[in-house]
Amino acid sequence: SQQGEEDPQALSIQEGENATMNCSYKTSINNLQWYRQNSGRGLVHLILIRSNEREKHSGRLRVTLDTSKKSSSLLITASRAADTASYFCATANNAGNMLTFGGGTRLMVKP
Amino acid sequence: DAGVIQSPRHEVTEMGQEVTLRCKPISGHDYLFWYRQTMMRGLELLIYFNNNVPIDDSGMPEDRFSAKMPNASFSTLKIQPSEPRDSAVYFCASSPSGQGLGEAFFGQGTRLTVV
Repeated sequence: SQQGEEDPQALSIQEGENATMNCSYKTSINNLQWYRQNSGRGLVHLILIRSNEREKHSGRLRVTLDTSKKSSSLLITASRAADTASYFCATANNAGNMLTFGGGTRLMVKP
Repeated sequence: DAGVIQSPRHEVTEMGQEVTLRCKPISGHDYLFWYRQTMMRGLELLIYFNNNVPIDDSGMPEDRFSAKMPNASFSTLKIQPSEPRDSAVYFCASSPSGQGLGEAFFGQGTRLTVV
C-alpha cells in the first residue's frame, strides 16, 4: 500500500512559472524525500527533509514539511521545459529502514 | 561507482516461464530494495534487505515471487511461473544506512512483458 499520496496527479504550466506539488502521508516518519523520474528512466533523488525540519532549499527546489498535518510540499521555482517529469514523495518509517512511495505528480512544463 | 546496475533492461517472456531479474547495488550500501511500477498501482515496494538479510517481504504479491541476496553485491528477483499481470517495470535501489534511511539510488529498471 502507498504511504504517500501526491496532489495534483498532473500539472501543466508554462516555462518560468512556479510548480507546487503536495504530498500527504499516514503514519509517523523519520524523513520524507522527493524524487524525480523522467520517462522510461529510474528515479533520481532530489531532496530529503527530516521529521524535525520544517523547510529545506536546494537550488530552485523548496520543500516544506508539516508533521502535524502529515503533509509536505515541493515547490519548483522558475520552471524550465527540462523539469518535465514525474515527481514522487517517499517516506522513511520511524525505524528509518523502509522507503515507500506515493503515486506521483506528472509535471509538464511548456516552452 | 557505476551506480545500481540492473539486468536485463528489457525482458519479454511467455506466460508460465521463469523470469530472473538481477541487481548489483552500489558498493558499501547496506539496504537493497525491489520495487515494481505499473500505471495502475504506481511504485510498490516488494521486498527489502538489510546486510543481505530479507527484512520485509510483505509487498511480494504471491508465492510465485521470490528474492535472494546471496552476497552484498548481488540480488535476484525471480518470478515462477510468470503471468501477464506481472508485466511492469521492476526497479532495484540501494541505500547506505546512517541516521535514518537516506537517499535511495535507483537502477534503470527492467521492463518485463509477459505475453
